[in-house]
Amino acid sequence: AQTVTQSQPEMSVQEAETVTLSCTYDTSESDYYLFWYKQPPSRQMILVIRQEAYKQQNATENRFSVNFQKAAKSFSLKISDSQLGDAAMYFCAYRRWGGGADGLTFGKGTHLIIQP
Amino acid sequence: NAGVMQNPRHLVRRRGQEARLRCSPMKGHSHVYWYRQLPEEGLKFMVYLQKENIIDESGMPKERFSAEFPKEGPSILRIQQVVRGDSAAYFCASSLAGGPDTQYFGPGTRLTVL
Repeated sequence: AQTVTQSQPEMSVQEAETVTLSCTYDTSESDYYLFWYKQPPSRQMILVIRQEAYKQQNATENRFSVNFQKAAKSFSLKISDSQLGDAAMYFCAYRRWGGGADGLTFGKGTHLIIQP
Repeated sequence: NAGVMQNPRHLVRRRGQEARLRCSPMKGHSHVYWYRQLPEEGLKFMVYLQKENIIDESGMPKERFSAEFPKEGPSILRIQQVVRGDSAAYFCASSLAGGPDTQYFGPGTRLTVL
């Protein structure tokens, strides 16, 4: 079974600075998808970024980028120019390739605090 | 374009009662997923449905829990004879198709069992 580990229960960063959230996963599959979701106090789950394992290029969405290290099974999220609205729980998630087993496997989350 | 809708947002039940949680997927989406989030935990996959079919229920508890996604109407997650341990946030997600398509989440239903 796949597992996702987020080793940082809480991170704090000053507004406008850069922060990196860690995620590692365990799988025997060679093709899969990885995601970062954000859960603000409203509890709505919001997709931040996704990465296909077959793509070597790291995904980027505006101030959010990932460092995908397939051999190390590592998928970290970098947030540049942190803003107060970035404060939330961040969940790393994995999904295997192919149909029939499309449920996401989530880590336990990292609580990101933005200091003004 | 309305997102994924869930109702009710908050549900309070006494032990032994039934809970019914509803999920309307995004327009055009025919794939629905249910997840449960316990306090201080990440989301746990429960069940994956397409219209009128359960595709993967590997995360569903064997007893008291059931899910359906009829041809017409919302998807329903039903919990019979609720216990205090069922208190959690239940999230529904939908996607246009299975496989690589992104899952978009609803706002969740917070179930409290007294």
